[in-house]
Amino acid sequence: GDQVEQSPSALSLHEGTDSALRCNFTTTMRSVQWFRQNSRGSLISLFYLASGTKENGRLKSAFDSKERRYSTLHIRDAQLEDSGTYFCAVWTGNYKYVFGAGTRLKVIA
Amino acid sequence: EAAVTQSPRNKVAVTGGKVTLSCNQTNNHNNMYWYRQDTGHGLRLIHYSYGAGSTEKGDIPDGYKASRPSQENFSLILELATPSQTSVYFCASGGRRGRNTLYFGAGTRLSVL
Repeated sequence: GDQVEQSPSALSLHEGTDSALRCNFTTTMRSVQWFRQNSRGSLISLFYLASGTKENGRLKSAFDSKERRYSTLHIRDAQLEDSGTYFCAVWTGNYKYVFGAGTRLKVIA
Repeated sequence: EAAVTQSPRNKVAVTGGKVTLSCNQTNNHNNMYWYRQDTGHGLRLIHYSYGAGSTEKGDIPDGYKASRPSQENFSLILELATPSQTSVYFCASGGRRGRNTLYFGAGTRLSVL
């Protein structure tokens, strides 16, 4: 069954605003990875977390270290180039990753 | 820098024809993956490999074969292409047991007419 649920499925933000994306897991996960897919279709890795938080510029991600059942991606001061589809993926064991359905983000001027 | 290179980037094939999609990685990762991405389905795993000589079925393997002749190369083969296989295909590589970041190629847009 579905193991990864992303929310919201779509989001519009004005430039300069902040928001958070969320990834919920149906069971405890060992790690999570966040990707952004741009308008050209390229999948770019943003963060890989096995615990705690990581930050890169205006992006910050956190992985619930206690129950390991969700992760968040915070976008601060959204810019037009942040537009795209954001995916989270989890390692399920057996060499496989499972992806969420994605959050389509549009940043508007 | 870690790199995954796919070829071709675009392909038009005829129904019933054979199509081979190639993937090369310079990450020295053990694991490699083939996904397809379709609107409404996200990324779905077709085949994967955990090392040279190994291929394993993913979640949607029907109609596809895979080949991993070396650590660096992983191919996806459509022996008899069908229009339902029109999609965007992504190759990725990752380290052992998911401890390394998953790196994606740029994708191959395949149209089967």
